[in-house]
Amino acid sequence: AQSVTQLDSQVPVFEEAPVELRCNYSSSVSVYLFWYVQYPNQGLQLLLKYLSGSTLVKGINGFEAEFNKSQTSFHLRKPSVHISDTAEYFCAVNTGRRALTFGSGTRLQVQP
Amino acid sequence: ETGVTQTPRHLVMGMTNKKSLKCEQHLGHNAMYWYKQSAKKPLELMFVYNFKEQTENNSVPSRFSPECPNSSHLFLHLHTLQPEDSALYLCASSQVVRASQETQYFGPGTRLLVL
Repeated sequence: AQSVTQLDSQVPVFEEAPVELRCNYSSSVSVYLFWYVQYPNQGLQLLLKYLSGSTLVKGINGFEAEFNKSQTSFHLRKPSVHISDTAEYFCAVNTGRRALTFGSGTRLQVQP
Repeated sequence: ETGVTQTPRHLVMGMTNKKSLKCEQHLGHNAMYWYKQSAKKPLELMFVYNFKEQTENNSVPSRFSPECPNSSHLFLHLHTLQPEDSALYLCASSQVVRASQETQYFGPGTRLLVL
């Protein structure tokens, strides 16, 4: 069975500060990892994904994530956040079920 | 983003009502999904359709009945729902390439309130 743990339910941060949103997964097989963002009253939008190859993945809006197999982590980072980054962020894993298993989400609140 | 549309965006219904949620994807994909997003819970997969055939039913109660008439349209028929079914229902689609590697594209969701 696969599972995803997002350790922080809320992350407050000041504008232009760096941020890291943590994601750990549990799986006994190869995984494919995704980060999605959900803005208020909207659906989920893909930020980035790791399928294979380089463990550092760059996504949209200046976000990047690093796949760490030994630590079973896929943390999301951004060096300088904007007010517009305020949203809920979801980490997800797929190991072959044809559908995603999501974490419980991290609410990023960027303050001026 | 208009790749996946959902209607209605908001729905209030009584426990004895029958209603349907509609999802349409304009991306040429061949797989579609229903997810349920409840407050303080992770997104839960409900159904998966691949080439119009249901390939997964994640132990969803029979008061939820999906329908996929073609690869572009997906419905979720609702009847005799319970208040705990109130949630955001998200539709997604993807192009089947190699299992697990597909990127799923989501619609804006239908926010359902059951009174």
